[in-house]
Amino acid sequence: QVQLQESGPGLVKPSQTLSLTCTVSGGSISSGGYYWSWIRQHPGKGLEWIGYIYYSGSTYYNPSLKSRVTISVDTSKNQFSLKLSSVTAADTAVYYCARGFSSGYYGYWGQGTLVTVSS
Amino acid sequence: DIQMTQSPSSLSASVGDRVTITCRASQGISNYLAWYQQKPGKVPKLLIYAASTLQSGVPSRFSGSGSGTDFTLTISSLQPEDVATYYCQKYNSAPRTFGQGTKLEIK
Repeated sequence: QVQLQESGPGLVKPSQTLSLTCTVSGGSISSGGYYWSWIRQHPGKGLEWIGYIYYSGSTYYNPSLKSRVTISVDTSKNQFSLKLSSVTAADTAVYYCARGFSSGYYGYWGQGTLVTVSS
Repeated sequence: DIQMTQSPSSLSASVGDRVTITCRASQGISNYLAWYQQKPGKVPKLLIYAASTLQSGVPSRFSGSGSGTDFTLTISSLQPEDVATYYCQKYNSAPRTFGQGTKLEIK
């Protein structure tokens, strides 16, 4: 059974960079066939797709966030990470990591981590 | 980018009712559509993929249909545990956009 777990600071100051890591267990990122993704949910709002990375390192980002987002993978640690730069209060959200099937839908999600942007 | 629009945004129905939620894509996406259920305070759960394929373990009262631009999620007989927000998601190509959600309550 694949499990994903987000980790990182719960509080980030405005203009700084939000950094989160997703640790995968029960399956290897480097086995291929899946797209490792980040999705966020603003408080009381809907789901916003941030982007994905394939084990090879290829990425795709939501155009609305592309200039500020970097997703990277560390296959040796079976982890992938999210960096979001120049954050504002509008980036306050629950951030989920998820495993996407090669076709693109999400069968496994982390529990989510709330990141608050505030001074 | 393709936009996904759900309707209604919220609805209230009685236990045992047949409930239908609609998702419309701004361009055709074939059958590359998934539905998720998110209960309050919980993680989204995959219900249906490929527009009409039920994920393993999901009750058979849930069903999906549609292709191209118009899709529906149907609950044949609403149960109290179905109170949740439902999201559609397109995945024919990136970005893999979600609909804005439909909040389902019991009347």
